[in-house]
Amino acid sequence: EVQLLESGGGLVQPGGSLRLSCAASGFTFSSYAMSWVRQAPGKGLEWVSTISGSGGSTYYADSVKGRFTLSRDISKNTMYLQMNSLRLEDTALYYCAKAESSSSGWYYFDFWGQGTLVTVSS
Amino acid sequence: DIQMTQSPPSLSASVGDRVTITCRASQSISWLLNWYQQKPGTAPNLLIYDASSLQSGVPTRFSGSGSGTDFTLTISSLQPEDFATYYCQQSHRSPLTFGGGTKVEIK
Repeated sequence: EVQLLESGGGLVQPGGSLRLSCAASGFTFSSYAMSWVRQAPGKGLEWVSTISGSGGSTYYADSVKGRFTLSRDISKNTMYLQMNSLRLEDTALYYCAKAESSSSGWYYFDFWGQGTLVTVSS
Repeated sequence: DIQMTQSPPSLSASVGDRVTITCRASQSISWLLNWYQQKPGTAPNLLIYDASSLQSGVPTRFSGSGSGTDFTLTISSLQPEDFATYYCQQSHRSPLTFGGGTKVEIK
């Protein structure tokens, strides 16, 4: 059974930093890309970032590029999202998702964690 | 960026009704369109991928169709557990983008 468990969310001031973690189990972690998708309170879904199975390639939404860094530790079956220079508009529930490849080489999300809440506020 | 527009934003329906939700892409995305269901307080759940392929474990009353820019999600006979918000997502190119959602409510 695929399981994804996020952690690391919390309250942070504007300009601050947080590191989110996603611990994965139930599948061969190194064989799949992984992603973060966020949802601001009462709003829709927004793709944030994706990392390839090997960790050699990372992709970011323009809204977080240069501020967020995605990485993975295959030995620990864990993905990390380092979030720096946080803004009020980064406030959201952050979901970790297992990414499945489309024929285009881009992704859809077949399993999701329950999310970790990031609140940016002074 | 590819913009995804869903309609309607919300709808009211009764148990047993046939429900159709549409999703339009701002440019052709071939068949690279996926549908998710999200119930309040829970994570999204993949229903349909590649426009018409049913994800394992999803009831067969859900179906998807379309290609190019216009897509539909159909629930053939609405069940009580189907009241939720539905999102489309394109996997044609980065940035991956979602529609704004369609909330299906009880009439």
